[in-house]
Amino acid sequence: GQNIDQPTEMTATEGAIVQINCTYQTSGFNGLFWYQQHAGEAPTFLSYNVLDGLEEKGRFSSFLSRSKGYSYLLLKELQMKDSASYLCAVSAMTTDSWGKLQFGAGTQVVVTP
Amino acid sequence: GAVVSQHPSWVICKSGTSVKIECRSLDFQATTMFWYRQFPKQSLMLMATSNEGSKATYEQGVEKDKFLINHASLTLSTLTVTSAHPEDSSFYICSARDRKNNYGYTFGSGTRLTVV
Repeated sequence: GQNIDQPTEMTATEGAIVQINCTYQTSGFNGLFWYQQHAGEAPTFLSYNVLDGLEEKGRFSSFLSRSKGYSYLLLKELQMKDSASYLCAVSAMTTDSWGKLQFGAGTQVVVTP
Repeated sequence: GAVVSQHPSWVICKSGTSVKIECRSLDFQATTMFWYRQFPKQSLMLMATSNEGSKATYEQGVEKDKFLINHASLTLSTLTVTSAHPEDSSFYICSARDRKNNYGYTFGSGTRLTVV
């Protein structure tokens, strides 16, 4: 199985930076994903890391260290609309599945004025 | 980009009845579909993985006779909640993976099931 841990909630002010950490333990690692989810909606894709390092995409960046089983999602220049749950998800190859995606519990980010 | 159409968006059913949820990949062939369930303020919990033309693989603790999954074609997978009970009320979401796109997990829009 997989253990995926991330903080439950983080609060930050508009315009600030917030870093959401995620640690994981898995076999057959096949990539780490970050998704944003607003209440009652499906998750939307933010980023994907399969190699070590930093991937930057606009205001969002994601980092991966496979040896440490660690990733973070960095949100810069926070906007009120960034208030949402951020889900860390790990893809793993198994004998019976090509890339099973398991999610962490999610981090609720609250952006205040 | 890849699109997965999920229907219905919401459904209310009586306890003891069955409900079918459909997920269709509109512009790609989904050889693998994943079904998730999400309770309020919780994360997505993987229920099962279905591969086209073969039996679904269920996660530990998920009753395969209660949650019937059929993936008969490369563009359609269905989840049937049989003999639904109030505790089955949840948000069900499917996800399909496009083999051509290494990180193409495309999600459906979800189905809000309420059993009364």
